[in-house]
Amino acid sequence: DIQMTQSPSFLSASVGERVTLSCKASQNINKYLDWYQQKLGEAPKLLIYNTNNLHTGIPSRFSGSGSGTDYTLTISSLQPEDVATYFCLQRNSWPLTFGSGTKLEIK
Amino acid sequence: EVQLVESGGGLVQPGRSLKLSCAASGFTFSNYGMHWIRQAPTKGLEWVASISPSGGSTYYRDSVKGRFTISRDNAKSTLYLQMDSLRSEDTATYYCATAIAAMDAWGQGASVTVSS
Repeated sequence: DIQMTQSPSFLSASVGERVTLSCKASQNINKYLDWYQQKLGEAPKLLIYNTNNLHTGIPSRFSGSGSGTDYTLTISSLQPEDVATYFCLQRNSWPLTFGSGTKLEIK
Repeated sequence: EVQLVESGGGLVQPGRSLKLSCAASGFTFSNYGMHWIRQAPTKGLEWVASISPSGGSTYYRDSVKGRFTISRDNAKSTLYLQMDSLRSEDTATYYCATAIAAMDAWGQGASVTVSS
């Protein structure tokens, strides 16, 4: 199975700050990497698919990059509504595997 | 607008069965694969199973293989998860999700508690 390691597990940042979240795969996942946002008490929501494709309706302050085993989600200017836990998911091979999440809070 | 509504969750004793349903609307259900994902209380997300648009191909995580069965009725635009021989570690909120570009749309979740 492909292991997905997210870092940091917890992040506190200020409104307006640029924030970077990391996801590392245990082997090459060929850019089949998605990012999901889960707010407290809600279902997860797709933000970015296949590394860098912004899902419909997602603000442009979210962006993704990466290749091989290393991937990044960037929020260019953190907003209060971005408080959530962010999960990465690899869809390169079965079983599909999620990272353990990064909990993002406002400082 | 894509809508997914799960039902069928509840409290069940270890070793018993439960069947979840996911009613889909707002898109052509028969054109897309579907997923089940679960989340244990205060834990992360865990992929459970997936099914192709026709239902001809199915995929499971090892821990549910042989106990859970994913299926679909395209005429009813409904996805199912039959869960047999339930264990305490199956306690979670179960989400269905579309497989269009990725896990594009998610239901609100159905809570399953396995306890005596």
